[in-house]
Parts: sequence; C-alpha cells; structure tokens
Amino acid sequence: EAGVAQSPRYKIIEKRQSVAFWCNPISGHATLYWYQQILGQGPKLLIQFQNNGVVDDSQLPKDRFSAERLKGVDSTLKIQPAKLEDSAVYLCASSAWGSTDTQYFGPGTRLTVL
Amino acid sequence: DAKTTQPNSMESNEEEPVHLPCNHSTISGTDYIHWYRQLPSQGPEYVIHGLTSNVNNRMASLAIAEDRKSSTLILHRATLRDAAVYYCIRDAGNMLTFGGGTRLMVKP
Repeated sequence: EAGVAQSPRYKIIEKRQSVAFWCNPISGHATLYWYQQILGQGPKLLIQFQNNGVVDDSQLPKDRFSAERLKGVDSTLKIQPAKLEDSAVYLCASSAWGSTDTQYFGPGTRLTVL
Repeated sequence: DAKTTQPNSMESNEEEPVHLPCNHSTISGTDYIHWYRQLPSQGPEYVIHGLTSNVNNRMASLAIAEDRKSSTLILHRATLRDAAVYYCIRDAGNMLTFGGGTRLMVKP
C-alpha cells in the first residue's frame, strides 16, 4: 500500500513570495490533515478535511494560508505572502475516517523563508 | 485542556526495556490515549492507543493507570532504530493535539 505522498520535499523562498505544497493521501482515506511543525516543537494542526469539506480550520492563519481538497482526494496548501516565521516542516496526513482513527503521515515539506 | 505532560528527554541502553511516562490528569472517561513517534527527518508514525485496559502490539505495550490520569509506553527491548521523539496524545474526539514529546536516546 502506497503511503502519503508530498511534494516538494524542500523549498526555499524569500519573504513575501508565494509557495504551494501538494499532498496525495492514501487511497480511500476520507480524512486529510495539514500540520505545521516548527523546529523543536510537535506538529500543530492547521486544517482537517473530511472528503472535500473542511472539518476544522481554527488554527489556519487565513489571511495568508489557504488549502483546498478538490474532488476529495489530493490537496494543496498555499502560503501567500510568506513570512519568516512560516519556516517549518509542513506535514500532510490521512486517515480512513475521522481524527480518532490512525493517522498516516507523509515525509513533509521543509520550507525555509529567507 | 487536552494537553499531556511528558519528560523532555530520556536515555536508554540498547536491548533494555524503556518506560516512557505520560501524565494526563484532566482526562475524561471517553478520551483515548494515543502514542505516535517521529524518527529524525520523518513524519510521525502511529505506535499504539488505548482507553482503559493495557494494550499490546508488535511495536510496544501501553499501560494505563487505573484512574487513567497517567500512562506508560513500554518498549520491551530498545534498539538504535527506536531513537525518536515519542508523543503522548489525549484524543478528545475532535483532533489530536501534539505536545513537545519525549526525545528518546538509545545508547549502544
């Protein structure tokens, strides 16, 4: 069974630029999550999708971050414009149904904002 | 408050058992306890979860205190590949909230 795929693995941009991350969850998984992990901290949930609907985006900085999950499969997370404090690893995870189910994480995208 | 309390770091010798503690004194009766671990440069991976009774799987054992205010993740024989950050997460049914975790160092 293929795992959660993410791309790119690394991205370096300058502040005020835009960036987008892509995630392909495990086939058949209804729930998809985006987490932000700042160096030395645990992952923080940014947004949770159930199929193509948003379940929770309470911790997503909506003035600069946006995410979509068209057709309930792949997802993209965008930052526009980026700030220095957005430097982090962005993790995508999926689970078969809800958040209490086992979550499977991708390898993450390491973003550096200069 | 869905937070749990874990030591920042622990050290173990290879081939010895490791007991990783977690305090969740404000847990409610229906909250599950999940453990995930994160190896260097990888995303977190599921280890084990439980509600009231002790749980075993091929990776580890989970011992939950009778009052459910604490739990212990047990690795029966630590290997160098077990060096990781271990997260104890209280699942209140809506989302998993990761804390800082315990960094486990395994000495050969």
